[in-house]
Amino acid sequence: GAVVSQHPSWVICKSGTSVKIECRSLDFQATTMFWYRQFPKQSLMLMATSNEGSKATYEQGVEKDKFLINHASLTLSTLTVTSAHPEDSSFYICSARPGQGVSSYEQYFGPGTRLTVT
Amino acid sequence: KNQVEQSPQSLIILEGKNCTLQCNYTVSPFSNLRWYKQDTGRGPVSLTIMTFSENTKSNGRYTATLDADTKQSSLHITASQLSDSASYICVVSRNTGFQKLVFGTGTRLLVSP
Repeated sequence: GAVVSQHPSWVICKSGTSVKIECRSLDFQATTMFWYRQFPKQSLMLMATSNEGSKATYEQGVEKDKFLINHASLTLSTLTVTSAHPEDSSFYICSARPGQGVSSYEQYFGPGTRLTVT
Repeated sequence: KNQVEQSPQSLIILEGKNCTLQCNYTVSPFSNLRWYKQDTGRGPVSLTIMTFSENTKSNGRYTATLDADTKQSSLHITASQLSDSASYICVVSRNTGFQKLVFGTGTRLLVSP
């Protein structure tokens, strides 16, 4: 149980285009989903926290107009990288937290999406 | 400042040997401490999670310890296997109302045949 999927697993796009990454909790309802970015040989950095049905909370230094997050349902959150540039190339990982139960403080991570902007 | 520091940064051991990874943290207020395994190009997978009152927890060949007084944790891997080669990340959760995670930079473990 507690499986989180991401789609696509990797994507290459041209500079200036937009890319959408999906994060789904497959067997539980996630009231909160998190988006992280990880550069090579570095740890995960939280970009934003999203609660179902409300606006995402972005971390300091993360441009909300560039990284659009939508958490439309309890099992789906999307991250759209708008007007992507090569410096946006990174590994994007989402995580989801169950809404209730003893595991409600656990976060389950997706497998990640490798974005390469050319 | 809320920080999680891990040592060593990288480690090479022979297959079958044991190893111990260290984690020191200065996170407050403390909620829980987690160890994750992250294979290259994959998302982190939870190994153990410990609350303030727990000082040891095992998951197969992985045993984590927590000393909340000294703010230190360790992850011991027994009888290492080639598949243990990965990054191991120590993560401390802050009890700020919605469990914000503070990540360590990880220890990259390579198990050599």
